[in-house]
Amino acid sequence: DAKTTQPTSMDCAEGRAANLPCNHSTISGNEYVYWYRQIHSQGPQYIIHGLKNNETNEMASLIITEDRKSSTLILPHATLRDTAVYYCIVRVGAAGNKLTFGGGTRVLVKP
Amino acid sequence: DAGITQSPRHKVTETGTPVTLRCHQTENHRYMYWYRQDPGHGLRLIHYSYGVKDTDKGEVSDGYSVSRSKTEDFLLTLESATSSQTSVYFCAISPSGFYNEQFFGPGTRLTVL
Repeated sequence: DAKTTQPTSMDCAEGRAANLPCNHSTISGNEYVYWYRQIHSQGPQYIIHGLKNNETNEMASLIITEDRKSSTLILPHATLRDTAVYYCIVRVGAAGNKLTFGGGTRVLVKP
Repeated sequence: DAGITQSPRHKVTETGTPVTLRCHQTENHRYMYWYRQDPGHGLRLIHYSYGVKDTDKGEVSDGYSVSRSKTEDFLLTLESATSSQTSVYFCAISPSGFYNEQFFGPGTRLTVL
C-alpha cells in the first residue's frame, strides 16, 4: 500500500474553505485515494474517494494532481461540526479490501 | 446513518471471561469488518467477512474469533478477555467491498479489568 503523509493538525475559520493536503508519492496506478473523518468518540465517516479525476459530493471536493502524487480535500464552508480527525488513505480497489488508518490531520474549526 | 448498530455500547468485564460483541446491519451488505481503536495506534483491522460463513483475519486477530451465520449479524468474540483488549471496537460494513466505501457503527467501549 502507498504510504500517505498528512499534516498533524490545522486550524480553519468557520465559514471559510478548509483545504486538507495529503501526499502519496508512491501511489500506484490501481490505487484509489479515500478520505474519512472521525469526530470525537464516533465511528469514522466516509467522505469521498477518487482515482485520478476530481470528485465532488455533498460533503466535499477531492482534487488529485495530474501525477497523482498528492491530493487535497476541500470542505467548502467549514462549520464547527467539521472539527474532526481527517484520514487520507490510499488503497487498491478490490473486493474485501481493508482500510489502514494512519495518524490523520486533526482539524479544528474556530468561530 | 448506515443502519449499523453495535451491542453492547459499553461493557466492563474481568480478565479471563468470554465476551461477545454484536454488529447488526439492516443494509444487507456483503462485507463486514471489526476494528479496534487505541490511542497511538489508530484503527486496526481485527477480522472481516465477505459473506455468510466467510471470514478472514486482519492485522490484530490474535485472541479474537468471529462468526457470521446471517448476513445481518457479525459477532466478535474474545474467548478469554485480557487487559490488552481494553479498547473501543468499531464495526463497519461495505456494499461491494471494491471501493472501500465503508460505513462505521457507533462503537463499543470495552474495559477489561
